[in-house]
Amino acid sequence: QVQLVESGGGVVQPGRSLRLSCAASGFTFSNYAMHWVRQAPGKGLEWVAAISYDGSDKYYADSVKDRFTISRDNSKNTLYLQMNSLRADDTAVYYCVRDQRLDYWGQGTLVTVSS
Amino acid sequence: QSVVTQPPSASGTPGQRVTISCSGSTSNIGSNTVNWYQQLPGTAPTLLIYSNNQRPSGVPDRFSGSKSGTSASLAISGLQSEDEADYYCAAWDDSLNGRVFGGGTKLTVL
Repeated sequence: QVQLVESGGGVVQPGRSLRLSCAASGFTFSNYAMHWVRQAPGKGLEWVAAISYDGSDKYYADSVKDRFTISRDNSKNTLYLQMNSLRADDTAVYYCVRDQRLDYWGQGTLVTVSS
Repeated sequence: QSVVTQPPSASGTPGQRVTISCSGSTSNIGSNTVNWYQQLPGTAPTLLIYSNNQRPSGVPDRFSGSKSGTSASLAISGLQSEDEADYYCAAWDDSLNGRVFGGGTKLTVL
């Protein structure tokens, strides 16, 4: 069965960096586009970034452009999100999500940006 | 402020039919397909409807989706207590070159 397991969340000070990982299993990872979607505490869903199946195309929300970088390693079945210059409003649960339909979601990893 | 608008809340009694609206623009709903997601309390979202009106396997046919112009709707018939959740619509936006979500609708089963 499809499994997406995020890791790398935690508490970080404003201005610092953090890298999230998402380990995928149960499907052919290299065949699918992947996304990151976040949800601030008590708030709605916000799309963050997407990457094509082979990593050649990347898309970002304006709120994270030039600060976050999405990447993937198809040999390791792993998706990444490098987050730099973190701000308090980046505090959220970050979900790894499969495909343009966003058909499978991980359980999420909490990122808290606080001094 | 989301570019796609949903009512913040909706409610119904068991057995009733409820609809949730999703209003966008020509750059998102008007030119791309709409998906719907259900988020039960304390859990990750799940795909409920894709390509405007298609149900993934395992989703009951009580759930249906439709789209017309720059708006879409999710209908839930035979409302059940376990349908109490947050519901989100989403579509790709050609102007933003990214996916946009509606603000979400909290459904309460009275």
